[in-house]
Amino acid sequence: AQKVTQAQTEISVVEKEDVTLDCVYETRDTTYYLFWYKQPPSGELVFLIRRNSFDEQNEISGRYSWNFQKSTSSFNFTITASQVVDSAVYFCALSEGTSGTYKYIFGTGTRLKVLA
Amino acid sequence: DTEVTQTPKHLVMGMTNKKSLKCEQHMGHRAMYWYKQKAKKPPELMFVYSYEKLSINESVPSRFSPECPNSSLLNLHLHALQPEDSALYLCASSQEGNTYNEQFFGPGTRLTVL
Repeated sequence: AQKVTQAQTEISVVEKEDVTLDCVYETRDTTYYLFWYKQPPSGELVFLIRRNSFDEQNEISGRYSWNFQKSTSSFNFTITASQVVDSAVYFCALSEGTSGTYKYIFGTGTRLKVLA
Repeated sequence: DTEVTQTPKHLVMGMTNKKSLKCEQHMGHRAMYWYKQKAKKPPELMFVYSYEKLSINESVPSRFSPECPNSSLLNLHLHALQPEDSALYLCASSQEGNTYNEQFFGPGTRLTVL
C-alpha cells in the first residue's frame, strides 16, 4: 500500500539554524514521483520540488536542498540558515506512475516554526 | 501568469443555504482539482476534472456539486451543508491530469457552516 510518513509533527528552530524535515514513503510501483509543498499561514500550498523515482541526484536551490535515497525510501528536505519566513507547514507527497489516478498521497505535514 | 485564484476568501453559510465557490486559472492547464483541508490535516482530494470532464469523484456527498464550465474555470456548488463541512477548500490545477505534473494551488476559501 502507498503511504507517506512525516514523523516530525512540529519542529522549532532559532533563526539561522539548519533544519531537516524527514519524509519516508512506501510504494510498490517502480515509477513514482515525490513532491514537497510549503503551506504558509495564508493557506496556499506552494510547490517546491518534484523528483522522479529514476533520478536520485540530490538537488539544491538556494537555501533549500533535498536528499532522495531509494535504499531507505526517504526524500528529506533541508533548509540551511533558516529564516522566519520559512515558518510554515511542509507536506511531502507521493504520486504513483502506474496508478493512473493522479492522486497525491500526502504525508501529515511538519509544522516548522523559526524563531527570531 | 502562474496563479490560481479562488473566490470568496471566506464564506459563512447556514445549513439551508446554497452557495458556490469559484476557481480560475489562466495557465492553460487542462486538469483542475478540488481539495478539502481540515485544520492540522493534509488536503483531501474531492474531485478531478481533466479536459473539462469529471474524471475522479472521491465518493464526495452529493451536497457538493462540481462544475467545470470551461478549461479555465472550476466551480463547487454547495447545498445543505453540515457543520462538519467547515474547512479550507483548495483548488489546484496542473498541466495535464497525470501523476508527474506538479499541481498549483490557489489560496483557498475558508468555509464555515453554522
